[in-house]
Amino acid sequence: QVQLVQSGSELKKPGASVKISCKASGYTFTTYGINWVRQVPGQGLEWIGSINTNTRNPTYAQGFKGRFVFSLDTSVSTAYLQISSLKAADTALYFCAREFADRVSGSIRYWFDPWGQGTLVTVSS
Amino acid sequence: DIQLTQSPSSLSASVGDRVTITCRASQTINTYLNWYRQKPGKAPKVLIYSASSLQSGVPSRFSGSGSGTYFILTISGLQPDDFGTYYCHQTYGPPYSFGQGTELEIK
Repeated sequence: QVQLVQSGSELKKPGASVKISCKASGYTFTTYGINWVRQVPGQGLEWIGSINTNTRNPTYAQGFKGRFVFSLDTSVSTAYLQISSLKAADTALYFCAREFADRVSGSIRYWFDPWGQGTLVTVSS
Repeated sequence: DIQLTQSPSSLSASVGDRVTITCRASQTINTYLNWYRQKPGKAPKVLIYSASSLQSGVPSRFSGSGSGTYFILTISGLQPDDFGTYYCHQTYGPPYSFGQGTELEIK
């Protein structure tokens, strides 16, 4: 079945970096983009950005440009999110999600399905 | 950037009730609007895509409507398993965005 499996929880000190993985299975990895979403504990969903798994072109939301970097290893169907210069405010659950695309009513539509199980990143001294 | 505003932020309803959640976009997004439900400690799951299309495997008591800037998620005949937080999500962008969420409690 189609699934995304993320790496485990991370505990980091302020100023450090972290790299989260998202391994896809059950479909051709380069057919659909991968999106990253942040959820601060007790709060809502925040779109970080996406990466085109075919062209490797990334798109970042305005508040995530600079310290957040997407990458791919298509040989193992895996996407990565690296966050540098970590701050306490980066403490959150990070999700990857496949950007499924299909033709609906004559145009291509996009939605997120499936999602990874989430990776908790805790930044604390 | 497109902002999505959901209403209400939370609600409590009884089994069998008809529940509606609304989502307003700050600019027209055609029908590039999806709905997800997230249960505590779990990843969100898509319920409705493209405003009104039911995702495979999702019970038919869920329905979506709307276009432009106003969208509605309806649950007809609430079930105990329907608790959780519901989010609308626009893919008219990028940048994509989510509503702030509606927490649904079963009385």
